[in-house]
Amino acid sequence: QQQVKQSPQSLIVQKGGISIINCAYENTAFDYFPWYQQFPGKGPALLIAIRPDVSEKKEGRFTISFNKSAKQFSLHIMDSQPGDSATYFCAASWNAGNMLTFGGGTRLMVKP
Amino acid sequence: DVKVTQSSRYLVKRTGEKVFLECVQDMDHENMFWYRQDPGLGLRLIYFSYDVKMKEKGDIPEGYSVSREKKERFSLILESASTNQTSMYLCASSSLFASTYEQYFGPGTRLTVT
Repeated sequence: QQQVKQSPQSLIVQKGGISIINCAYENTAFDYFPWYQQFPGKGPALLIAIRPDVSEKKEGRFTISFNKSAKQFSLHIMDSQPGDSATYFCAASWNAGNMLTFGGGTRLMVKP
Repeated sequence: DVKVTQSSRYLVKRTGEKVFLECVQDMDHENMFWYRQDPGLGLRLIYFSYDVKMKEKGDIPEGYSVSREKKERFSLILESASTNQTSMYLCASSSLFASTYEQYFGPGTRLTVT
């Protein structure tokens, strides 16, 4: 049973558009929510992360929105660029990030 | 720059073979991880080690074992490879003391068991 559910599985966005990827979790003990970005042939790399004491975190064009009561969080990519085309994974952890539970991944394609 | 290296990018093994996947990190990290990545299932944790000779089972440890004899090296062992272990295997490391909890991943080993 997947504890972190991610949607959509794939996403196509025009250059300059907003990409939105959603995740929902079940374990209320989770207290750390990172997003990882993976390019073909590479391992995932940390993109941005949030703790549940804030509802939003922004780093450049990337924003995490967090809704604790709904047990949901999402990644927004503003002004999406072809270079953002990658697979994105949300994750959650309850023990200082040591045991991450990942969502199923979203394959994003940004069309020029 | 943190570097996590994995011994092979591609590996083809036969059913029943013993398979060793090696991972080395150069940042003196305490934590090391082995994941497998399958389409639609994301990354699933196989084993985790927080110190030399220490290990903890992850979500899918069945059919796998691990070894950590030196801090920088973490090995994944498939005692008797089966076709359902065909997958991408990713190694990662992280610092026990860093506030970001960031895990640094290697490029992966694509294992095919025939």
